[in-house]
Amino acid sequence: DAGITQSPRHKVTETGTPVTLRCHQTENHRYMYWYRQDPGHGLRLIHYSYGVKDTDKGEVSDGYSVSRSKTEDFLLTLESATSSQTSVYFCAISDLGLAYEQYFGPGTRLTVT
Amino acid sequence: DQQVKQNSPSLSVQEGRISILNCDYTNSMFDYFLWYKKYPAEGPTFLISISSIKDKNEDGRFTVFLNKSAKHLSLHIVPSQPGDSAVYFCAAPSWAGGTSYGKLTFGQGTILTVHP
Repeated sequence: DAGITQSPRHKVTETGTPVTLRCHQTENHRYMYWYRQDPGHGLRLIHYSYGVKDTDKGEVSDGYSVSRSKTEDFLLTLESATSSQTSVYFCAISDLGLAYEQYFGPGTRLTVT
Repeated sequence: DQQVKQNSPSLSVQEGRISILNCDYTNSMFDYFLWYKKYPAEGPTFLISISSIKDKNEDGRFTVFLNKSAKHLSLHIVPSQPGDSAVYFCAAPSWAGGTSYGKLTFGQGTILTVHP
């Protein structure tokens, strides 16, 4: 299994509070991604990174920001959490192999009350 | 704009029979397709892929078929086993400005249940 960890694994927070999720990899892969999974929507890309300090928006980036100061860490921040951001968040990594494979972390279940 | 669609939310099959999961896409520029499998409380794991230059790729009990003219792909599992019960996602690399950065566009997923 690819070495990807996510923290925390579960979090309950209140509307309006900032939240930061962490993704840590030990594979030295260049590319990292944050997705959210919601029923009926599959996995949707929030933000991605193609190198240290190089990030860009995905299809559902509103209300989220990211940072990558080291190859191994990719942080996702909800600037002011809303109930619509209750979801399961997955981090993924890739070295852009032949089949564009991505390797996923175990996920973080976030509940915004 | 859902470029990758899985129109069947769920599928139920008997152990030993064939499972067929379907996926449709709208973007004719997609050059690769992937299938992922996801168990509850775990992250998705890569299962099998196919390049657009092929129409079939096989790996053990899993075979993916690609019909480019119909913009349709399917995953066949033969024989199905109870341990195959999971959510299956199809995905394709999404391109913009000449590069994908490895970004994937996923379908909504199909819940497969294999009954003993």
